[in-house]
Amino acid sequence: RKEVEQDPGPFNVPEGATVAFNCTYSNSASQSFFWYRQDCRKEPKLLMSVYSSGNEDGRFTAQLNRASQYISLLIRDSKLSDSATYLCVSNAGGTSYGKLTFGQGTILTVHP
Amino acid sequence: GAVVSQHPSWVICKSGTSVKIECRSLDFQATTMFWYRQFPKQSLMLMATSNEGSKATYEQGVEKDKFLINHASLTLSTLTVTSAHPEDSSFYICSASSGVPNTGELFFGEGSRLTVL
Repeated sequence: RKEVEQDPGPFNVPEGATVAFNCTYSNSASQSFFWYRQDCRKEPKLLMSVYSSGNEDGRFTAQLNRASQYISLLIRDSKLSDSATYLCVSNAGGTSYGKLTFGQGTILTVHP
Repeated sequence: GAVVSQHPSWVICKSGTSVKIECRSLDFQATTMFWYRQFPKQSLMLMATSNEGSKATYEQGVEKDKFLINHASLTLSTLTVTSAHPEDSSFYICSASSGVPNTGELFFGEGSRLTVL
């Protein structure tokens, strides 16, 4: 079983749609979680951190459920520029801080 | 903000040659850097953890004699792919922490795309 698993997608949605991505992790010792965005042939860029209390950044909302080891990302009012691969990422803590484990990514295409 | 720079951004080499990729933290000191590899349509996989002044820690299945990592200073780590073969063709990305354990943001280099002919 992969340590971080995501919806494989791809998701094809029209502009303005709301889309949700799910992710589960198997290592209960993981300390922190993130959503990264990766454009084709580019490095990943941090989209947002994920907190147990849930957090929102504009059109993006992330949730973490430690009991279920489940992470989600909700994108509202999709824009064409949201088209990318979204990576669910866990970060080991303590002395292994910075050692990221990536999910396989979910491809999102927003069309006119 | 903090920036991590990689060089070269892309390289094409002949089978059997060695290729060196540099990862620099431009405005902060990185005691630890991480090297990832991404094959087409796959996610990033951690190859090794590079510690300044000590030997790198390699992930299971990564050959330390093939992927030589040197972290001689707080701002530079290098990855050398020795005797490269076509199956080593991949996107190599480094990352570094801005410092404070467990809270520092992680920054990625722009990546280096290696093609071995």
